[in-house]
Amino acid sequence: EDQVTQSPEALRLQEGESSSLNCSYTVSGLRGLFWYRQDPGKGPEFLFTLYSAGEEKEKERLKATLTKKESFLHITAPKPEDSATYLCAVLSLLGTYKYIFGTGTRLKVLA
Amino acid sequence: GAGVSQSPSNKVTEKGKDVELRCDPISGHTALYWYRQRLGQGLEFLIYFQGNSAPDKSGLPSDRFSAERTGESVSTLTIQRTQQEDSAVYLCASSLLGGSAYNEQFFGPGTRLTVL
Repeated sequence: EDQVTQSPEALRLQEGESSSLNCSYTVSGLRGLFWYRQDPGKGPEFLFTLYSAGEEKEKERLKATLTKKESFLHITAPKPEDSATYLCAVLSLLGTYKYIFGTGTRLKVLA
Repeated sequence: GAGVSQSPSNKVTEKGKDVELRCDPISGHTALYWYRQRLGQGLEFLIYFQGNSAPDKSGLPSDRFSAERTGESVSTLTIQRTQQEDSAVYLCASSLLGGSAYNEQFFGPGTRLTVL
């Protein structure tokens, strides 16, 4: 069964304290892995798409990496405005295309 | 440009009533998705429209849930005889292409449904 698991569920960091969020997946026919940011009361906002193992994408303080089993979202020197829930999703093809989302990591960055 | 819009933003209804939720996707986006997000949970796929193809309804939790889409524009999600467990945020997303790795989904702000 296709599955996406994110860890940790919640993370508290001091401003400037770098860390990584994990997204582990078991999926048939991976067609892409997506990272989204979700602020309270809002819909998810797209951050990155990764297509193949070894690929990396960067945006400001965020860097996403992908292996055959997991993806990491690295946050370097985070700021309070980086506080949000970060969602991982995979696009699989098993007869039909399907997006499967993880439950997210709630990140809180303290000033 | 305009993003994905959803209405209403909040809906409070009584158990047993029917509700309609509306989604206006980004113009030109052929794919449209509905998700349900319960408090503290991830996104649960409900239904997917791609152009004029038959929709993928595999995520609908029961026959009380249905959705329609007019061409490549507005979509309506209908929940009949609402139950308290239907309380959640209903999110709509659209993407330029469906079923491809070369697209990302753009989400609306969601409709928060509360069933009393």
